Formats: sequence, structure tokens, C-alpha cells
Amino acid sequence: EDQVTQSPEALRLQEGESSSLNCSYTVSGLRGLFWYRQDPGKGPEFLFTLYSAGEEKEKERLKATLTKKESFLHITAPKPEDSATYLCAVQARAGNNRKLIWGLGTSLAVNP
Amino acid sequence: DTEVTQTPKHLVMGMTNKKSLKCEQHMGHRAMYWYKQKAKKPPELMFVYSYEKLSINESVPSRFSPECPNSSLLNLHLHALQPEDSALYLCASSQSGGAGETQYFGPGTRLLVL
Repeated sequence: EDQVTQSPEALRLQEGESSSLNCSYTVSGLRGLFWYRQDPGKGPEFLFTLYSAGEEKEKERLKATLTKKESFLHITAPKPEDSATYLCAVQARAGNNRKLIWGLGTSLAVNP
Repeated sequence: DTEVTQTPKHLVMGMTNKKSLKCEQHMGHRAMYWYKQKAKKPPELMFVYSYEKLSINESVPSRFSPECPNSSLLNLHLHALQPEDSALYLCASSQSGGAGETQYFGPGTRLLVL
């Protein structure tokens, strides 16, 4: 069964303290892995799309990487405004390939 | 421009009311989606329109009725909802609805059913 697991569930960092969020997946043929940021009561904001193992993408303090089993979202020198829930989702080759399979998210809090 | 807009931002309705949620995108996308999101849960797919035709209905109750008047607009008509339907309703769009496409989400409509 296609599945996405995110860890940790919650993470509290001090401003400037770098860390990584994990997204492990088991799917029958990956068509895409997506990272979103979501603030409370708002819609998910697109961050990155990754398609194949070894791919990396960067945006400001964020860097996403992909292997055949997992993706990491690295946050370098985070600021309080990086506090949000980070959601990972995948699309699989088999079945309904437009349906995203979501993880439960990592809630990040960055203290000043 | 990667903007999807949704109106209203907030909606309170009684169980006998009829209301509509609206979504608009100007990215030239041909696929549009409705999602429902409960607190501390990921979004849950409801409907997908591709080239203005309903292509996916995730066994959603008939009290939710989607409509796609054109490729830029998506409506969700609500009738006789239940309190458990209270949630954040999200609209999204993507290039054409194919696999591997990035979906861009709107800000959502916070719905409360009394």
C-alpha cells in the first residue's frame, strides 16, 4: 500500500539552529514528491517538487533532497517566520495518479 | 503568477441553508481540485475537474455539488450540510491534471455548519 510518513511530528528550534525534516515513502513508482508549507487556517504554499533520486532543490533557507526511499527538508539558520506545518505528498505511478498521498506533517516552531 | 483565489474566506451556515464556494485561477491551468481539510490532518481530495469535465469524485456525499463553468472558475455548491462538514475547503489547480504536476492551492474557505 502506498504510504507517506513524516518525522518528527513536532520540532522546536532556536533561531539559527539548523535541522532537517524527514519524509519517508513507499509507493509503486514515484511520479513526484511535493513539499508544502502551511500556516494555521491558510492553504498549503508550494515549496518544491522532486522527481528522481539524487535531485536537490533550494529556496532561501530551505533545501529539499530525494532518495529512493525518503526526502529531507533541510532548514538552515531558521527564523521565527519559518514556523509552520511542513507537509510532504507523493504521486504514485499506479492507480489514480492525480491523487496526492499525504504525510501528516511536521509542525515546526522557531523561537527567537 | 501562481495565485489561486477563493471566496468567501469564512462562511457560517445552518443545516438547511444553500451556499456556494468560489475559486478562480489565472495561470492557464486546465485542472482544478476541491479538497477538504480538518484540523491537524492533511487535505482530503473531493473532486477533480480536467478540461472542464469532472474526472474524479472521491465518493463525496451529494450534499456537495461541484461545478466548473470554465477553465478558470470552480464552484462548490453546498446544501443540507451536517456539522461534521465544518472544515477548511481548499481549491487547487495544476497544468492539465496529469501525474507529477504541482498543485497550487488557494487560501481556503473556513466553513462552520451550525
